[in-house]
Amino acid sequence: KNEVEQSPQNLTAQEGEFITINCSYSVGISALHWLQQHPGGGIVSLFMLSSGKKKHGRLIATINIQEKHSSLHITASHPRDSAVYICATIKAAGNKLTFGGGTRVLVKP
Amino acid sequence: DTAVSQTPKYLVTQMGNDKSIKCEQNLGHDTMYWYKQDSKKFLKIMFSYNNKELIINETVPNRFSPKSPDKAHLNLHINSLELGDSAVYFCASSNDARWKLFFGSGTQLSVL
Repeated sequence: KNEVEQSPQNLTAQEGEFITINCSYSVGISALHWLQQHPGGGIVSLFMLSSGKKKHGRLIATINIQEKHSSLHITASHPRDSAVYICATIKAAGNKLTFGGGTRVLVKP
Repeated sequence: DTAVSQTPKYLVTQMGNDKSIKCEQNLGHDTMYWYKQDSKKFLKIMFSYNNKELIINETVPNRFSPKSPDKAHLNLHINSLELGDSAVYFCASSNDARWKLFFGSGTQLSVL
């Protein structure tokens, strides 16, 4: 079992739908990143969270440190949101990122 | 100006060759990283440098040697390339892992 698990692995949504991607981890962490990898391969950092909730445009990321769980929500999804979304954790001690396997999102028009 | 630039974007080479991938960041960040993304798209840390000093060195074959001439550059040299080295290699930088990461566009390495 990976230290960082994401679900679902694949997700297909219709344009306008609300999307939720989940990330669970098994060890104590100090922070968690959400990344977006576009079909062209480039990776963009969306959020870095250590507690609570962050919002940027139509994207919302939440984290519950006690439950070892984070979610990424996409409101009013759009075909340009089609990408692989990856969560990555940073352990309480250290500087190393451990990555989840990614969630491939396809938003159909 | 590209924040994190890595070259080349594509690298096709024969088994046994030695090759290098270069990475430069103009963000003034202290920390740079090399990540490997395998065929299943799983990302894994290889190395991390902070101010030219190696701070993370994962279980990576000795054939991989990072070189950081200054804190804006982190190059990756690979000796005696093997088929299993075929992957996409990403360079990234940040002020710290707890800060936002900036990624290069990736280098797709194909070993034939």
